[in-house]
Amino acid sequence: GAVVSQHPSRVICKSGTSVKIECRSLDFQATTMFWYRQFPKQSLMLMATSNEGSKATYEQGVEKDKFLINHASLTLSTLTVTSAHPEDSSFYICSARAGRGASYNEQFFGPGTRLTVL
Amino acid sequence: GNSVTQMEGPVTLSEEAFLTINCTYTATGYPSLFWYVQYPGEGLQLLLKATKADDKGSNKGFEATYRKETTSFHLEKGSVQVSDSAVYFCALSDPHTGGFKTIFGAGTRLFVKA
Repeated sequence: GAVVSQHPSRVICKSGTSVKIECRSLDFQATTMFWYRQFPKQSLMLMATSNEGSKATYEQGVEKDKFLINHASLTLSTLTVTSAHPEDSSFYICSARAGRGASYNEQFFGPGTRLTVL
Repeated sequence: GNSVTQMEGPVTLSEEAFLTINCTYTATGYPSLFWYVQYPGEGLQLLLKATKADDKGSNKGFEATYRKETTSFHLEKGSVQVSDSAVYFCALSDPHTGGFKTIFGAGTRLFVKA
Protein backbone atom coordinates (compact mmCIF):
# COMPACT_ATOMS: atom_id res chain seq x y z
CA GLY A 1 0.00 0.00 0.00
CA ALA A 2 0.92 3.64 -0.32
CA VAL A 3 3.26 4.95 2.35
CA VAL A 4 3.64 8.45 3.71
CA SER A 5 6.53 9.30 5.97
CA GLN A 6 7.12 12.24 8.26
CA HIS A 7 10.36 13.53 9.66
CA PRO A 8 11.13 14.06 12.43
CA SER A 9 8.80 11.92 14.51
CA ARG A 10 9.49 14.01 17.59
CA VAL A 11 11.08 17.39 18.06
CA ILE A 12 11.72 19.53 21.10
CA CYS A 13 12.73 23.13 20.55
CA LYS A 14 13.14 26.36 22.44
CA SER A 15 10.60 29.13 22.26
CA GLY A 16 11.32 31.52 19.40
CA THR A 17 13.01 29.02 17.11
CA SER A 18 11.62 27.64 13.86
CA VAL A 19 10.94 23.99 13.18
CA LYS A 20 10.55 22.26 9.81
CA ILE A 21 8.54 19.07 9.41
CA GLU A 22 8.79 17.03 6.21
CA CYS A 23 6.08 14.90 4.68
CA ARG A 24 6.97 12.50 1.88
CA SER A 25 4.94 10.14 -0.26
CA LEU A 26 7.32 7.22 -0.72
CA ASP A 27 5.82 5.21 -3.56
CA PHE A 28 3.30 7.44 -5.26
CA GLN A 29 2.89 10.96 -6.56
CA ALA A 30 0.78 13.15 -4.34
CA THR A 31 -1.27 15.74 -6.16
CA THR A 32 -2.45 17.21 -2.91
CA MET A 33 -1.11 17.12 0.63
CA PHE A 34 -2.94 18.11 3.77
CA TRP A 35 -1.61 19.25 7.12
CA TYR A 36 -3.53 18.56 10.31
CA ARG A 37 -3.04 19.46 13.92
CA GLN A 38 -4.24 17.27 16.76
CA PHE A 39 -4.49 18.36 20.37
CA PRO A 40 -4.42 15.72 23.12
CA LYS A 41 -7.53 13.56 23.12
CA GLN A 42 -9.10 15.60 20.33
CA SER A 43 -9.84 15.14 16.68
CA LEU A 44 -7.76 16.28 13.76
CA MET A 45 -8.06 19.90 12.72
CA LEU A 46 -7.26 20.63 9.08
CA MET A 47 -4.75 23.45 8.88
CA ALA A 48 -4.10 23.76 5.17
CA THR A 49 -4.27 22.09 1.80
CA SER A 50 -1.33 22.27 -0.56
CA ASN A 51 -1.07 21.42 -4.22
CA GLU A 52 2.27 20.88 -5.88
CA GLY A 53 3.69 24.07 -7.32
CA SER A 54 1.06 26.41 -5.93
CA LYS A 55 0.38 28.30 -2.74
CA ALA A 56 -1.27 26.48 0.12
CA THR A 57 -4.88 27.15 1.03
CA TYR A 58 -5.22 27.77 4.74
CA GLU A 59 -8.28 27.07 6.84
CA GLN A 60 -9.93 29.92 8.64
CA GLY A 61 -8.07 30.90 11.78
CA VAL A 62 -4.74 29.39 10.75
CA GLU A 63 -1.95 31.94 10.43
CA LYS A 64 -0.21 31.47 7.11
CA ASP A 65 2.82 33.48 8.22
CA LYS A 66 3.14 31.31 11.29
CA PHE A 67 2.76 27.97 9.55
CA LEU A 68 4.66 28.07 6.27
CA ILE A 69 3.86 25.30 3.83
CA ASN A 70 5.92 24.44 0.79
CA HIS A 71 4.94 21.74 -1.69
CA ALA A 72 7.95 21.76 -3.96
CA SER A 73 7.46 18.41 -5.64
CA LEU A 74 4.88 15.68 -6.08
CA THR A 75 6.45 13.70 -3.26
CA LEU A 76 7.43 16.30 -0.69
CA SER A 77 5.66 18.93 1.38
CA THR A 78 7.13 20.80 4.32
CA LEU A 79 5.51 22.60 7.23
CA THR A 80 7.63 25.19 9.03
CA VAL A 81 6.43 26.46 12.37
CA THR A 82 8.06 29.87 12.66
CA SER A 83 8.95 31.51 15.96
CA ALA A 84 7.45 28.61 17.84
CA HIS A 85 5.82 29.14 21.23
CA PRO A 86 4.59 26.65 23.84
CA GLU A 87 1.02 26.93 22.54
CA ASP A 88 2.25 25.52 19.22
CA SER A 89 3.08 22.25 20.95
CA SER A 90 0.92 19.64 19.30
CA PHE A 91 0.82 16.51 17.15
CA TYR A 92 1.10 17.44 13.47
CA ILE A 93 -0.09 14.93 10.88
CA CYS A 94 0.15 15.14 7.12
CA SER A 95 -1.76 13.20 4.52
CA ALA A 96 -1.27 12.81 0.80
CA ARG A 97 -3.78 12.21 -1.94
CA ALA A 98 -2.74 9.99 -4.82
CA GLY A 99 -3.05 11.78 -8.12
CA ARG A 100 -3.47 8.69 -10.23
CA GLY A 101 -3.70 4.91 -10.15
CA ALA A 102 -5.87 2.50 -8.22
CA SER A 103 -5.72 4.65 -5.09
CA TYR A 104 -6.82 7.79 -6.89
CA ASN A 105 -8.39 10.23 -4.45
CA GLU A 106 -7.66 8.09 -1.41
CA GLN A 107 -5.74 9.86 1.34
CA PHE A 108 -2.81 8.26 3.08
CA PHE A 109 -1.68 9.54 6.45
CA GLY A 110 1.77 9.99 7.84
CA PRO A 111 2.69 8.73 11.32
CA GLY A 112 2.68 12.24 12.78
CA THR A 113 5.26 14.56 14.36
CA ARG A 114 5.07 15.50 18.01
CA LEU A 115 6.31 19.03 18.56
CA THR A 116 7.13 20.24 22.05
CA VAL A 117 8.10 23.88 22.48
CA LEU A 118 9.80 24.72 25.77
CA GLY B 1 -21.66 22.11 5.15
CA ASN B 2 -20.42 18.58 5.57
CA SER B 3 -20.04 17.19 9.08
CA VAL B 4 -19.58 13.98 11.02
CA THR B 5 -21.00 13.13 14.44
CA GLN B 6 -19.90 10.08 16.37
CA MET B 7 -20.72 8.75 19.78
CA GLU B 8 -18.74 10.11 22.67
CA GLY B 9 -16.37 7.89 24.50
CA PRO B 10 -14.67 6.41 26.17
CA VAL B 11 -16.18 3.02 25.49
CA THR B 12 -14.98 0.28 27.83
CA LEU B 13 -15.61 -3.35 26.95
CA SER B 14 -14.44 -6.74 28.09
CA GLU B 15 -12.56 -8.95 25.67
CA GLU B 16 -14.84 -10.80 23.23
CA ALA B 17 -17.70 -8.32 23.71
CA PHE B 18 -19.64 -6.88 20.78
CA LEU B 19 -18.67 -3.39 19.68
CA THR B 20 -20.78 -0.68 18.08
CA ILE B 21 -19.59 2.87 17.56
CA ASN B 22 -22.27 5.07 16.05
CA CYS B 23 -21.52 7.56 13.31
CA THR B 24 -23.87 9.83 11.40
CA TYR B 25 -23.03 12.36 8.76
CA THR B 26 -24.36 15.41 7.00
CA ALA B 27 -23.37 15.99 3.42
CA THR B 28 -24.69 17.94 0.48
CA GLY B 29 -23.27 15.56 -2.09
CA TYR B 30 -22.42 11.87 -2.25
CA PRO B 31 -19.46 11.40 0.05
CA SER B 32 -17.16 8.49 0.61
CA LEU B 33 -17.15 7.33 4.22
CA PHE B 34 -14.22 6.07 6.26
CA TRP B 35 -13.24 4.68 9.60
CA TYR B 36 -9.71 5.40 10.77
CA VAL B 37 -7.95 3.98 13.83
CA GLN B 38 -5.25 5.69 15.85
CA TYR B 39 -3.14 3.68 18.28
CA PRO B 40 -1.41 5.52 21.13
CA GLY B 41 1.33 7.83 19.92
CA GLU B 42 0.80 6.99 16.26
CA GLY B 43 -0.78 8.50 13.18
CA LEU B 44 -4.01 7.41 11.56
CA GLN B 45 -4.53 4.16 9.74
CA LEU B 46 -7.40 3.54 7.38
CA LEU B 47 -9.52 0.76 8.85
CA LEU B 48 -12.24 0.51 6.21
CA LYS B 49 -14.18 2.57 3.73
CA ALA B 50 -17.34 2.64 1.62
CA THR B 51 -17.81 4.80 -1.43
CA LYS B 52 -21.52 4.53 -2.18
CA ALA B 53 -24.84 3.72 -0.57
CA ASP B 54 -25.31 0.14 0.69
CA ASP B 55 -21.59 -0.62 0.37
CA LYS B 56 -20.14 -2.53 3.30
CA GLY B 57 -16.55 -1.88 4.28
CA SER B 58 -14.76 -4.56 6.27
CA ASN B 59 -11.30 -5.23 7.65
CA LYS B 60 -9.80 -7.15 10.58
CA GLY B 61 -13.24 -8.24 11.78
CA PHE B 62 -14.61 -4.69 11.74
CA GLU B 63 -17.40 -3.71 9.39
CA ALA B 64 -19.60 -0.74 8.58
CA THR B 65 -22.42 -0.28 6.09
CA TYR B 66 -23.08 2.99 4.23
CA ARG B 67 -26.74 3.76 4.98
CA LYS B 68 -27.91 6.72 2.93
CA GLU B 69 -31.47 6.59 4.25
CA THR B 70 -30.29 7.08 7.84
CA THR B 71 -27.06 8.93 6.90
CA SER B 72 -25.14 6.54 9.09
CA PHE B 73 -21.94 4.49 8.98
CA HIS B 74 -21.83 2.63 12.29
CA LEU B 75 -18.72 0.59 13.10
CA GLU B 76 -19.21 -2.93 14.46
CA LYS B 77 -17.08 -5.86 15.54
CA GLY B 78 -18.43 -9.11 16.86
CA SER B 79 -15.64 -9.90 19.34
CA VAL B 80 -13.15 -7.26 20.41
CA GLN B 81 -9.60 -7.93 21.59
CA VAL B 82 -7.34 -6.03 23.95
CA SER B 83 -5.27 -5.04 20.91
CA ASP B 84 -8.29 -3.16 19.52
CA SER B 85 -7.89 -0.51 22.21
CA ALA B 86 -7.41 2.71 20.29
CA VAL B 87 -9.21 5.84 19.13
CA TYR B 88 -11.59 5.39 16.20
CA PHE B 89 -12.46 8.26 13.86
CA CYS B 90 -15.37 8.32 11.47
CA ALA B 91 -14.75 10.55 8.46
CA LEU B 92 -16.13 11.62 5.13
CA SER B 93 -14.70 13.02 1.93
CA ASP B 94 -16.67 14.46 -0.93
CA PRO B 95 -14.50 15.43 -3.89
CA HIS B 96 -17.42 17.10 -5.64
CA THR B 97 -18.26 19.53 -2.87
CA GLY B 98 -15.47 19.31 -0.32
CA GLY B 99 -12.42 19.69 -2.48
CA PHE B 100 -10.92 16.36 -1.39
CA LYS B 101 -10.86 17.49 2.24
CA THR B 102 -11.53 14.82 4.84
CA ILE B 103 -13.93 15.81 7.60
CA PHE B 104 -13.36 13.91 10.83
CA GLY B 105 -15.63 13.13 13.73
CA ALA B 106 -14.42 13.84 17.25
CA GLY B 107 -13.12 10.33 17.76
CA THR B 108 -14.21 7.59 20.13
CA ARG B 109 -11.72 6.06 22.51
CA LEU B 110 -12.10 2.32 23.04
CA PHE B 111 -10.66 0.45 26.00
CA VAL B 112 -10.81 -3.34 25.95
CA LYS B 113 -10.15 -5.14 29.22
CA ALA B 114 -8.71 -8.64 29.40
